[in-house]
Amino acid sequence: SAVISQKPSRDICQRGTSLTIQCQVDSQVTMMFWYRQQPGQSLTLIATANQGSEATYESGFVIDKFPISRPNLTFSTLTVSNMSPEDSSIYLCSVHRGLNTEAFFGQGTRLTVV
Amino acid sequence: SQKIEQNSEALNIQEGKTATLTCNYTNYSPAYLQWYRQDPGRGPVFLLLIRENEKEKRKERLKVTFDTTLKQSLFHITASQPADSATYLCAPTDSWGKFQFGAGTQVVVTP
Repeated sequence: SAVISQKPSRDICQRGTSLTIQCQVDSQVTMMFWYRQQPGQSLTLIATANQGSEATYESGFVIDKFPISRPNLTFSTLTVSNMSPEDSSIYLCSVHRGLNTEAFFGQGTRLTVV
Repeated sequence: SQKIEQNSEALNIQEGKTATLTCNYTNYSPAYLQWYRQDPGRGPVFLLLIRENEKEKRKERLKVTFDTTLKQSLFHITASQPADSATYLCAPTDSWGKFQFGAGTQVVVTP
């Protein structure tokens, strides 16, 4: 298993500002992902956080808006930049140890942009 | 483009009955498929994983089937209980381990 600590758990931010979300795992993991869950919706994959290289973004998500860092195999950050009310969502970090293994999720960061 | 479809309407079921959920995918060749449970305000929790060369997988009261020809997975909860009430998500997964979720099906089990 993997224990994921995500910070902050929630925040209320002013539009135009940026928020950095941290994801800390209790052990080294191969794969780390960031998801967004908008109100009443399912989870949408934002990007794969690659250790030591640039993240791989899904269609509709760009690095300027969602810069991601992954300095090592246990830690990653997601920044939501120049926020607008449409960015109000739950952001979740997910990890797994390789193919054919289950994924584990953090409890999420509930972001409200006002 | 890749598409994952799950029953959009909530499934209301009486306690003790079997709930059957459907997951269909298109423009996808998953190496395996996962099912997760999500309760309100919480992250998804893993339930079962089935590989492309497996037809069926069981875990306690849960059963999953995977038909790569039909591009479909069925998820069954037998002898359902009120505690099974949640949203269930399917996640076809590619050979790199990357996956997207379906929209999820809400299950409501009434006593």
